[in-house]
Order: sequence, then C-alpha cells, then structure tokens
Amino acid sequence: QQQVKQSPQSLIVQKGGISIINCAYENTAFDYFPWYQQFPGKGPALLIAIRPDVSEKKEGRFTISFNKSAKQFSLHIMDSQPGDSATYFCAASRASGTYKYIFGTGTRLKVLA
Amino acid sequence: GAVVSQHPSWVICKSGTSVKIECRSLDFQATTMFWYRQFPKQSLMLMATSNEGSKATYEQGVEKDKFLINHASLTLSTLTVTSAHPEDSSFYICSARDGTGDRTPYNEQFFGPGTRLTVL
Repeated sequence: QQQVKQSPQSLIVQKGGISIINCAYENTAFDYFPWYQQFPGKGPALLIAIRPDVSEKKEGRFTISFNKSAKQFSLHIMDSQPGDSATYFCAASRASGTYKYIFGTGTRLKVLA
Repeated sequence: GAVVSQHPSWVICKSGTSVKIECRSLDFQATTMFWYRQFPKQSLMLMATSNEGSKATYEQGVEKDKFLINHASLTLSTLTVTSAHPEDSSFYICSARDGTGDRTPYNEQFFGPGTRLTVL
C-alpha cells in the first residue's frame, strides 16, 4: 500500500516532442505529489508538485495531470529538449506523521537532438 | 532560498574505517532531515528520518548501529558510516523539511547535492 509505481523505466523522445511519465499509488492518505529531476552525480531537484485538490498544474513546459479517482498522476514535458535528458522520479507523501516520501522507481529520459 | 549542502561531495576510505557526512540547511530551519542512499540506476531508498533533538527513526533493514545519525541543531545533521565495507559504497543524499510553518508546502523536502562514498 506504500508503493508508488512509475512507468516507463526509460524513454527516448525526439527534440520538440512530448515526454510523458506515469505514476500510480495505492494509499489514499497521500496528499502531496512532487516530481524530481536528477542528473548523474547530482541530488534530485524539485520540478513541480501537486495536491489532490486540483487536476492539473502547469509550470512552463512541465505539467502534472492528476486523477484522484484512478490514483494516478503523470508528468508531461512539452517541447522536450536535449537538456531535459535526466532521470525523473515521482513521489508521494502524507501531510502528517513523518512526512516521508515514497519514491517511484525512476524514468531515464533521453531527448535526441 | 531553501538550500541544502552536503560535505564532503565525495570520499574514498579504507575498509573498516568510519566516515562522517554532514548535511546543512543554509537558509531555513530543518526541523526534519532525511537520509537516503542511492545505488547506480536505482531510486532513492530512505534510510532514516531525524527530528531535531530526537533520536533518528530508521527504516526496516537499516542497521542503526552502522549508520549513526545525529541531528543536534536545526541546521545540521550528520550521518556516520561506521566500520565501512565495500558494500556500503553508494551515493548518500540528505534532504530537509522546514516544519516551523514559515515555509509552505509544509511537506516539501529540499535535497542536498549528495555524497559519493567509495570504500576500498
């Protein structure tokens, strides 16, 4: 019940295309869903996050779509660029207790020039 | 704002020695800090959660006597890997959360740049 399932494991997209990464969770107590970007040898950096009271959030080229009934959320990267090539992690956490994150398994994105 | 630093960024040590990694929040009060380890091409695995002034809470399977965590102040937490062995070689990442109410969302974690530990 604590798992966050992430897919695909890897993704190759042409420059200018749309990259889509999906995550699914089981615990309905989760109420904060961030996405992180990680480059090799670096710590993860927050890209965008969403709460269950909205179905979509957009920041620049990054959009989170959230489906509360299906317990799924996804990251869309519009106009993907070679500089977006990195590993992306979704996560879920609760607004009480330990506040710890449950991370997805990660998606390695490669954007071809 | 919300910067977390780690020191050192990389360390090489001999088997059997102990290594200390520092995690600092530079511009906010880190009421809670988290320590993760990450193996190549894998996700972040939470090792422990520490609240300032309290003992750390370790995740199942993490040896608390091997991975000593101290969170003595609102800006500093340390992870000491005791009697390190080659299998402890990994990328260790800390994160911090500001639970004072000064920053929202209150469950956002800010991550450090990581420390690469290599045990020979």
